[in-house]
Amino acid sequence: QVQLVQSGAEVKRPGASVKVSCKASRYTFTGYYIHWLRQAPGQGLEWMGWINTNSGGTNYAQKFQGRVTMTRDTSISTAYMELSRLTSDDTAVYYCAREDQLRFDHWGQGTLVTVSS
Amino acid sequence: QSVLTQPPSVSGAPGQRVTISCTGSSSNIGADYDVHWYQQLPGTAPKLLIYANINRPSGVPDRFSGSKSGTSASLAITGLQAEDEADYYCQSYDSSLSAPYVFGTGTKVTVL
Repeated sequence: QVQLVQSGAEVKRPGASVKVSCKASRYTFTGYYIHWLRQAPGQGLEWMGWINTNSGGTNYAQKFQGRVTMTRDTSISTAYMELSRLTSDDTAVYYCAREDQLRFDHWGQGTLVTVSS
Repeated sequence: QSVLTQPPSVSGAPGQRVTISCTGSSSNIGADYDVHWYQQLPGTAPKLLIYANINRPSGVPDRFSGSKSGTSASLAITGLQAEDEADYYCQSYDSSLSAPYVFGTGTKVTVL
């Protein structure tokens, strides 16, 4: 069974950065893109971008351009999402998800990022 | 702001049938992009429920079914069960946007 396991919850000060990891297992990591999405408290799902786990190429939503960096380490089948210059509006659960033909067939368990002074 | 519109809530008694609509536009659902549905139980990650408009992943009960027509899609739950109480989101693709993976506003299903 495909698994995506994310790193634990984080509490950050405004202006700081956060880096969330997503470790994949039980499938060929480089065969699928990994996407990052987020869900603010009581809100819907918001797409942030993807990383081509084979080439390392990325595509970010315009809203996050300049603030988000997605990387991967193929040796340990892990993808990372770093978001900088955090504000309280970035408080959310962040998910990684595997894409298969424009849909997200497997999701990580989510990582709560709380931004508070 | 979500590109796809869903009713905020629907409810039904156990055993009843409920439907959830997902309305898009000519640049996403109407452009012949598939619609996918996700179920999000309280406090958990979304789970793929229906893919490519009508298909169920392995393990999803056949009580769940999807359809698509024009610029809209629907999710139906027949024989509603208490365990179906969750948030449901539709998702499609919109090539006109810089954030092309678009989601619905979400629908809370309540089992009375």
